[in-house]
Amino acid sequence: EDQVTQSPEALRLQEGESSSLNCSYTVSGLRGLFWYRQDPGKGPEFLFTLYSAGEEKEKERLKATLTKKESFLHITAPKPEDSATYLCAVREGGSNYKLTFGKGTLLTVNP
Amino acid sequence: GAGVSQSPRYKVAKRGQDVALRCDPISGHVSLFWYQQALGQGPEFLTYFQNEAQLDKSGLPSDRFFAERPEGSVSTLKIQRTQQEDSAVYLCASSLVGPGIEYGYTFGSGTRLTVV
Repeated sequence: EDQVTQSPEALRLQEGESSSLNCSYTVSGLRGLFWYRQDPGKGPEFLFTLYSAGEEKEKERLKATLTKKESFLHITAPKPEDSATYLCAVREGGSNYKLTFGKGTLLTVNP
Repeated sequence: GAGVSQSPRYKVAKRGQDVALRCDPISGHVSLFWYQQALGQGPEFLTYFQNEAQLDKSGLPSDRFFAERPEGSVSTLKIQRTQQEDSAVYLCASSLVGPGIEYGYTFGSGTRLTVV
């Protein structure tokens, strides 16, 4: 069974303090690893899709990287508005559409 | 509309009551998904529609859960005889294309169901 584990569960940073969130996965034939951001009371908002080891994608202060066993979401010089829960999900090997999500990392950036 | 719209935003149901949750996907989106998100957890897949066809309902927890999308646009998730363990946020998502979701889904803000 596909599994997605995110760490840490919660992370508190000072504004400008860079860090990384981790997503480790076990899947038979990865067909995409997805990162989402979720604000309180909202649905997940799509950030990135990664398909193969070595791939990287960037958006503003966020950069996502992928290896054969895990993905990292690097946050450079975060701002308070980056505070949210970040969810990682994998598309199951036998499915074109079903996503298996991790529990997320709650990021708080203090001014 | 500009996004995926779900209604109601909040629903409180007495145990044993039937509920219906509505999802208006982005106009023209072929694929529609329902996910369940318990407190402190990531979303879990419930069911998938391509147009009006329900292609996968393997994630529905029990036969008390039923989803439909009769005209290939609006979808309704119905839960019969609600139980306390049904309390969760129910998220709807849509995608322009069929399987092959390179751009991810667009999620609605969800319906928070509380069963008392």
